[in-house]
Amino acid sequence: AQSVTQLDSHVSVSEGTPVLLRCNYSSSYSPSLFWYVQHPNKGLQLLLKYTSAATLVKGINGFEAEFKKSETSFHLTKPSAHMSDAAEYFCVVSDLGGGADGLTFGKGTHLIIQP
Amino acid sequence: EAGVAQSPRYKIIEKRQSVAFWCNPISGHATLYWYQQILGQGPKLLIQFQNNGVVDDSQLPKDRFSAERLKGVDSTLKIQPAKLEDSAVYLCASSFQGNGYTFGSGTRLTVV
Repeated sequence: AQSVTQLDSHVSVSEGTPVLLRCNYSSSYSPSLFWYVQHPNKGLQLLLKYTSAATLVKGINGFEAEFKKSETSFHLTKPSAHMSDAAEYFCVVSDLGGGADGLTFGKGTHLIIQP
Repeated sequence: EAGVAQSPRYKIIEKRQSVAFWCNPISGHATLYWYQQILGQGPKLLIQFQNNGVVDDSQLPKDRFSAERLKGVDSTLKIQPAKLEDSAVYLCASSFQGNGYTFGSGTRLTVV
């Protein structure tokens, strides 16, 4: 069984300051890990994904995440927040055991950017 | 490349009525998924198809929900009868051999 825990339901940062969104996962197999972003009334957009290659993954819009197996973490970071980053962020895990590779989503972190 | 198409975009029904949602995945994507996203929560997988076969429907409330993908292309998700707690956005996604998932814009269902 797989699961994801997003440690913060809301994160508020000032524009231009670093962003850290925390995620821990549990998986029975070698997982694939993703971060998705959802802007209000918009669809889900893939930010980045980890699939057992490099542990530091770079995504779109300046985001990156580091896979740490020993800590079962996959935190999302960005050096400098922009107002357009305000959205809901989901950490997602998928393990490929048995062919069922449906995504398991965390509950989401609402990112607020203060001007 | 055309995205995942879903219809309708919005639907309002009364409880105990039935409703159906349609999804057309990206051409060539053998795997199709239906997710339910209740307001304020992350999407939850309802069912996964590989071509026209069901791979995982462990979280599908089978007493009222059904889904089919008869020709291995487009898919229909049905709710009968609907309950108030079924109010949610229903998302369809497709993938090619697990290499990236593309989501549709979803159908927002309101049950009154």
